[in-house]
Parts: sequence; structure tokens; C-alpha cells
Amino acid sequence: AQSVTQLDSQVPVFEEAPVELRCNYSSSVSVYLFWYVQYPNQGLQLLLKYLSGSTLVESINGFEAEFNKSQTSFHLRKPSVHISDTAEYFCAVEETNAGGTSYGKLTFGQGTILTVHP
Amino acid sequence: ETGVTQSPTHLIKTRGQQVTLRCSSQSGHNTVSWYQQALGQGPQFIFQYYREEENGRGNFPPRFSGLQFPNYSSELNVNALELDDSALYLCASSLLVNSPLHFGNGTRLTVT
Repeated sequence: AQSVTQLDSQVPVFEEAPVELRCNYSSSVSVYLFWYVQYPNQGLQLLLKYLSGSTLVESINGFEAEFNKSQTSFHLRKPSVHISDTAEYFCAVEETNAGGTSYGKLTFGQGTILTVHP
Repeated sequence: ETGVTQSPTHLIKTRGQQVTLRCSSQSGHNTVSWYQQALGQGPQFIFQYYREEENGRGNFPPRFSGLQFPNYSSELNVNALELDDSALYLCASSLLVNSPLHFGNGTRLTVT
């Protein structure tokens, strides 16, 4: 069975500073990797995903994450954060079979609350 | 296109009661998954439905059950409510079984 560990429960940063939210996973099979963002009183929104190919994936709002298979990590980074990035961020994994088919069951980490201060 | 909508947004029930939560999938999506998110935790997979049949289940007891209808809307039913069932229940739909999930805003259930 897979598991996800988000190493920081809370990350406070100042506006325009860089940020890294750390995520490590454990799985005995191939996985897909995701980052979701959750704003207060809302559901989860997909931020970015790694399915295959280039290990560096980017979102439209400046976040990026790099899949590191040897370290089983998928850390999320942004070079300059905005106040509007304040939210809770969840890393998730989804196991696949040898053919790359998954079954829609995500395993989430505990979440990291990112607070951006002016 | 409409997104995933869930009803009600908030609900208060008493221990031992039964509850039904509803979800309307995003247009064209034939797969729906339900997750439980306890306070301060990440979501946990309850089950998934594909074309009206259960297509995978997480580590939840049988008193958690579901339905998916021909129009791909869905229900989550919980019997014999316990205090620990208090959580945000999230519904997510996807175009295919292994496509990215689109989440609704959830139903906040409080069991007293």
C-alpha cells in the first residue's frame, strides 16, 4: 500500500519570497503524482500532475514540482509567492499497474498550510 | 460546463442516525469518487463508482454505501452514524476511471 508524507504541516513565508513544500511517498509500484490546493470552505483543485515523461511539471500560476524517483519525492516550489497563494496544499499519489492504468484511488498527505504574509 | 455540485453544504445529525449526501457530477463525467476529510487531515478514499457499479473501495465499513444513477449523479449513505464520522465529505468526478479528479466543495457533516 502506498503512503504520502508531507514534511511540513505549516509554512509561513513573506510575499515575493520563494517557497518549497515537501512531499515524499512510499509505493511498491509505479505511481502518478499530484498536487492539489484547497482554499477555505472549498473543495480541492488540481494544481499539477506527473503522469510520465519530463520529471519537471509546471502549473499555469507559477508553481512547479519535480518527480525524483530515487528519493521518492515530489516537492512543490514557487520562486515568488503572492498573498493569494495562501491555502492548504495536498500531495497525492495514485498507484498504477504495469500498463500504466490507474483506478482513481488517490492517497493524500496530511496537507501543508501555506501562509503568505505581506 | 457545470462543475461538481454537492448538497447539502452543511448537515448536523445525531449519533445513530442515517444520512444521505448528494453529488451532481461534472457534465460528461461517468466516474464518481467519494472522500472523507476529517479536520486537519488529508482526504481519505471511501469508494468509486463507474457506470453505476462500485469500482473500488477504501478502508471504510459497510455502513458507508453509495449509489450512482444513470445520469451519473451519486449518493453517499452512512448508517448508524458515529461521532468520528464528523468530517467534510468530498465528491469528485472524472471523465474516465483514470482521468484527473474534479472535486466539489463538499458537505460538512457534524455528528453530535
